[in-house]
Amino acid sequence: DAGVTQSPTHLIKTRGQQVTLRCSPKSGHDTVSWYQQALGQGPQFIFQYYEEEERQRGNFPDRFSGHQFPNYSSELNVNALLLGDSALYLCASSLARGRETQYFGPGTRLLVL
Amino acid sequence: QKEVEQNSGPLSVPEGAIASLNCTYSDRGSQSFFWYRQYSGKSPELIMFIYSNGDKEDGRFTAQLNKASQYVSLLIRDSQPSDSATYLCAPPASGGSNYKLTFGKGTLLTVNP
Repeated sequence: DAGVTQSPTHLIKTRGQQVTLRCSPKSGHDTVSWYQQALGQGPQFIFQYYEEEERQRGNFPDRFSGHQFPNYSSELNVNALLLGDSALYLCASSLARGRETQYFGPGTRLLVL
Repeated sequence: QKEVEQNSGPLSVPEGAIASLNCTYSDRGSQSFFWYRQYSGKSPELIMFIYSNGDKEDGRFTAQLNKASQYVSLLIRDSQPSDSATYLCAPPASGGSNYKLTFGKGTLLTVNP
């Protein structure tokens, strides 16, 4: 049973560039949420995708956007990167019903120089 | 008041002792609570979830929930060095959705052999 996978594992970008991170949910899951975790902080919710639409969004600017594909995998895009975007980006998947728990992928560590 | 507050630690206990981790939350609508463990450089791993007032036990772990006091705790009995990690408390946003978790900063636990 494949768990949540993310790619790439590490990424270095410069300010102003754009980045795309990818996530494949746990087998059987149909909902993907993205979180940003800065050093020393807890994860912060970015947004959630279900049925290829953004359903909920946290307190993040429009520079952060996403997409979900028919196979439930998802992408997180960040435009006009800032130094403060350096963080661990976590994808979590779950089932869209009731009180389902979220399972996290290994994360993508992004460094913006 | 911050949405989720945890005793910041670090918390240090000897091997075999009971470790007590606490969490208070501000959203009275929160109906369920999740405890995640995060090893340094890794992604959060689900340990327990609790929905009802009272205690829930799973092996060496016991979660306690008091909705009236807006307080949830995690007890780890017979602590082992492998329990050394950051523990994150995460109530979802009110409304029953488990997709938007609100994490505290976490409590760093060190179990000394």
